[in-house]
Amino acid sequence: EAGVAQSPRYKIIEKRQSVAFWCNPISGHATLYWYQQILGQGPKLLIQFQNNGVVDDSQLPKDRFSAERLKGVDSTLKIQPAKLEDSAVYLCASGGPPYNEQFFGPGTRLTVL
Amino acid sequence: DAKTTQPNSMESNEEEPVHLPCNHSTISGTDYIHWYRQLPSQGPEYVIHGLTSNVNNRMASLAIAEDRKSSTLILHRATLRDAAVYYCILRDSEGGGADGLTFGKGTHLIIQP
Repeated sequence: EAGVAQSPRYKIIEKRQSVAFWCNPISGHATLYWYQQILGQGPKLLIQFQNNGVVDDSQLPKDRFSAERLKGVDSTLKIQPAKLEDSAVYLCASGGPPYNEQFFGPGTRLTVL
Repeated sequence: DAKTTQPNSMESNEEEPVHLPCNHSTISGTDYIHWYRQLPSQGPEYVIHGLTSNVNNRMASLAIAEDRKSSTLILHRATLRDAAVYYCILRDSEGGGADGLTFGKGTHLIIQP
């Protein structure tokens, strides 16, 4: 069974630039999550989708972050404009039956200079 | 989400059992106890979860105190590959609704050869 795919794996940008991350979940998983993991900390949930609808985006900085999951499969997370403090690993996870345990992708490491 | 408390780090020897403790004194009746681990440079990985009874799977065992205010993840025979950060997480349901994971700092497990 193929795992969660993410791209790119690494990205370096300058502050105030824009960046987008892509995630392809495990086939058949209705739930998709984006997390932000700053160095030395545990991951923090940014947004949760159920199919193509948003279930929880309470911790998403909506002034600069946006996410979409068109057609309920792939998802993109965008940052516009980026700040230095956005440097982190962005993790995508998907969950499915029976227990909705989460399967994580390898992450995208973002460095903002 | 209810909070969990774990030691910052633990050290063990290869091929010996490891007991990773977690305190969750404010756990509610509907909270499941989940364990995830994160190997270096990888996304988190599901290990095990339980509600009241002890649980076993191919990766580990989960021992839950009778009052549910604490639990212990047991690795029966640690290998070098088990060196990771282990997260104990309370989750309010097994599926449906807002169920993103709230990660703490976890326990950094060091395995000595």
